[in-house]
Amino acid sequence: SQQGEEDPQALSIQEGENATMNCSYKTSINNLQWYRQNSGRGLVHLILIRSNEREKHSGRLRVTLDTSKKSSSLLITASRAADTASYFCYNTDKLIFGTGTRLQVFP
Amino acid sequence: DGGITQSPKYLFRKEGQNVTLSCEQNLNHDAMYWYRQDPGQGLRLIYYSQIVNDFQKGDIAEGYSVSREKKESFPLTVTSAQKNPTAFYLCASSGVIDTEAFFGQGTRLTVV
Repeated sequence: SQQGEEDPQALSIQEGENATMNCSYKTSINNLQWYRQNSGRGLVHLILIRSNEREKHSGRLRVTLDTSKKSSSLLITASRAADTASYFCYNTDKLIFGTGTRLQVFP
Repeated sequence: DGGITQSPKYLFRKEGQNVTLSCEQNLNHDAMYWYRQDPGQGLRLIYYSQIVNDFQKGDIAEGYSVSREKKESFPLTVTSAQKNPTAFYLCASSGVIDTEAFFGQGTRLTVV
């Protein structure tokens, strides 16, 4: 498959906990993006990390990129019920999405 | 109000019919994309276009066709050759390939 692999496929946590999701590709990665999708809706861009960046922060989001391991991680800190959604990584150069992680945050 | 618009939101098609999904953007973006999403799965690239009058096949182009006659429009036709067309279709655009993409709200196509 050309898709990136994300794990876990599903994640359930309580509000206030941190959520970590991982993404890996068989193809090379230069730049990588993360997107969020609420059920049955379009995708919303969260963050872009370039090949010369190993880590990037945006609000409660922390993203890492390891181009040698062809992998990235997304950390959401102090999660809220409103963070409940599916999260997808996106290999920008190859136009390939990951398989997604479904995050459920319980109040 | 800038954005990307897909229509219709829901579409029903009889087997053997071609249908066209609309995608329009007023963001002045050069690149546009079509993705297919099946239940509980990620997005797979059908076609993309980096410039007017030019487009490339993605991973699952068979049974689909596109055109890019105008910068702001990138319609997708699901032909009768597509064996399993029932899915959620998402259109996106970006300034160039390597930048943030903006997505429409999707069209849910059902074959009846």
